[in-house]
Amino acid sequence: DTAVSQTPKYLVTQMGNDKSIKCEQNLGHDTMYWYKQDSKKFLKIMFSYNNKELIINETVPNRFSPKSPDKAHLNLHINSLELGDSAVYFCASSLGLRGEQYFGPGTRLTVT
Amino acid sequence: AQTVTQSQPEMSVQEAETVTLSCTYDTSENNYYLFWYKQPPSRQMILVIRQEAYKQQNATENRFSVNFQKAAKSFSLKISDSQLGDTAMYFCALDDSGAGSYQLTFGKGTKLSVIP
Repeated sequence: DTAVSQTPKYLVTQMGNDKSIKCEQNLGHDTMYWYKQDSKKFLKIMFSYNNKELIINETVPNRFSPKSPDKAHLNLHINSLELGDSAVYFCASSLGLRGEQYFGPGTRLTVT
Repeated sequence: AQTVTQSQPEMSVQEAETVTLSCTYDTSENNYYLFWYKQPPSRQMILVIRQEAYKQQNATENRFSVNFQKAAKSFSLKISDSQLGDTAMYFCALDDSGAGSYQLTFGKGTKLSVIP
């Protein structure tokens, strides 16, 4: 009974391809997030959704497009992948707009 | 802008000893939350402990405790009786969503190695 799950856990693809990462939470939370962790382990927020509405959209290339079909899901679609997109992407969720966040296992994206 | 600083990139501790990881932060809010997250080699981000700024009492979770100094904006993590499984990256994080940010701001992390 995984709380926050992400698929796939590993993704290797070539430059220029389009890929998606899926996230699901079964905690009953209403807020979900995408973070990017770079090679130096620095974690930075990318997007946040509350009740399926976008509330945070940091300075991220518009090749990245989140989609929240319902409160339990937040997917991340990336167009025209670039070498610099290689990173670990974490999904997280919380109850409400603040407080502790619970993270998924991460997706390691490698762009060759 | 909110910032979180972890001044120790790497630390090591002998098994069964005690270690303290430092974190300082900056916020103009009076109501905020602070967290420590652990990221072992498995990559999973695990919540270790949380502290609400309005609470004067320091949070404790088993072998983990914090020293929260609100005036100094300091939030250190003490790990007692260190175990090999404590080897991980530790991240300090600030939630001061009252400023409208609605996000966690993370420090750059401290890599802790527990030596047998």
